[in-house]
Amino acid sequence: GAVVSQHPSWVICKSGTSVKIECRSLDFQATTMFWYRQFPKQSLMLMATSNEGSKATYEQGVEKDKFLINHASLTLSTLTVTSAHPEDSSFYICSARGLDRFYTDTQYFGPGTRLTVL
Amino acid sequence: GENVEQHPSTLSVQEGDSAVIKCTYSDSASNYFPWYKQELGKRPQLIIDIRSNVGEKKDQRIAVTLNKTAKHFSLHITETQPEDSAVYFCAGDNNAGNMLTFGGGTRLMVKP
Repeated sequence: GAVVSQHPSWVICKSGTSVKIECRSLDFQATTMFWYRQFPKQSLMLMATSNEGSKATYEQGVEKDKFLINHASLTLSTLTVTSAHPEDSSFYICSARGLDRFYTDTQYFGPGTRLTVL
Repeated sequence: GENVEQHPSTLSVQEGDSAVIKCTYSDSASNYFPWYKQELGKRPQLIIDIRSNVGEKKDQRIAVTLNKTAKHFSLHITETQPEDSAVYFCAGDNNAGNMLTFGGGTRLMVKP
């Protein structure tokens, strides 16, 4: 399958800090990137969808000024959690969708970023 | 929009037995149904997928069946092994084909 990387894998920060998470598709061009949030023992909650060069589409209840998404290229998307607070602590997973090397339209996940806000 | 329901939420089987996880979806225009396996603290990994032009797909011990009329699809794991223990998520595409909606997940435990 295709490779999606995510950085950092784990971050601990103080309340009020802004944290940037990078998501890269390494061997294919991602026409669409997704950002999910996952709480322990729960399913993936879609936060937003972004297409390269366009503004992200946020799901209901997700604050766009809180979770800034930039999709600058077909291989890079970033999520910035602004002024993070303890309730933002979670596992954030990006996902990239596009044609992989087999020219199959498939969605692959990054390894996730565990954010802990103190 | 698409709504995907997944059952059961937990499933415990003995090593060597088969496991079946079922999902239903609401959007009749959905055409793509992947299954992901997520081990603790790791990313969801695509294990198998099926598109609406076929009714069944198999890959070694894993198979997926799709019934478009009834709008349900299932994951079948045969000869389960302890390393199959994980959370499995089904998903369905939306009408535009650009977004997946996930089921709630099934925690599979394979007892040695």
